Amino acid sequence: QVEMQESGPGLVKPSETLSLTCGVSGYSIINGYYWGWIRQPPGKGLEWIGSIYHSGTTYYNPSLKSRVTISVDTSKNQFSLKLNSVTAADTAVFFCARQEGHSFSFDYWGQGSLVTVSS
Amino acid sequence: SYEVTQPPSVSVSPGQTASITCSGERLGEKYVCWYQKKPGQSPVVVIYQDIERPSGIPERFSGSNSGNTATLTISGTQAMDEADYYCQAWDTSTAYVVFGGGTKLTVL
Repeated sequence: QVEMQESGPGLVKPSETLSLTCGVSGYSIINGYYWGWIRQPPGKGLEWIGSIYHSGTTYYNPSLKSRVTISVDTSKNQFSLKLNSVTAADTAVFFCARQEGHSFSFDYWGQGSLVTVSS
Repeated sequence: SYEVTQPPSVSVSPGQTASITCSGERLGEKYVCWYQKKPGQSPVVVIYQDIERPSGIPERFSGSNSGNTATLTISGTQAMDEADYYCQAWDTSTAYVVFGGGTKLTVL
């Protein structure tokens, strides 16, 4: 059974960088699939942030591309998100998820991590 | 940029059929999946690749996709189906994921 767990600070100051890591168990990242980050601001809908292939190829939401970096560490079986120059509008629950490569649906999700941007 | 549109809300009586639409230009040429999202929980995929149902998802959930519209249908809707539902497509031309704005399904 694939399990995913987000970790990182729950509070980030405006203008700083939000960093989250997603640990994966039950499946080896190096075996394939895409790995993505999705967020949900309070009271709003889901927003895709970006995805990374196990080889390191990345795909980003154009609206966030200038501020986002997603990377993968296959030795630790985890992948990470960095979002810089954050503002209060970036406050959200952040989910990591495994993305199937044919229909590009997200089949396994982490429980979500609330990150609040506030001074 | 590519966009898909959902109605903000749909209401259905218990035991009846609920239909939630997702519209986008030539959406039928892309694969669509649907997620169920309940408060405080992670999204769960209920339909992928337009019509496929993951193991463990009840048979009352079905999907279709043609032309400019994809539809999630819930037959014999139960109170436990009350949730937000999101459609998602992959835009192959730009290689990015698009989510609909979500539809709140109320069972009353």
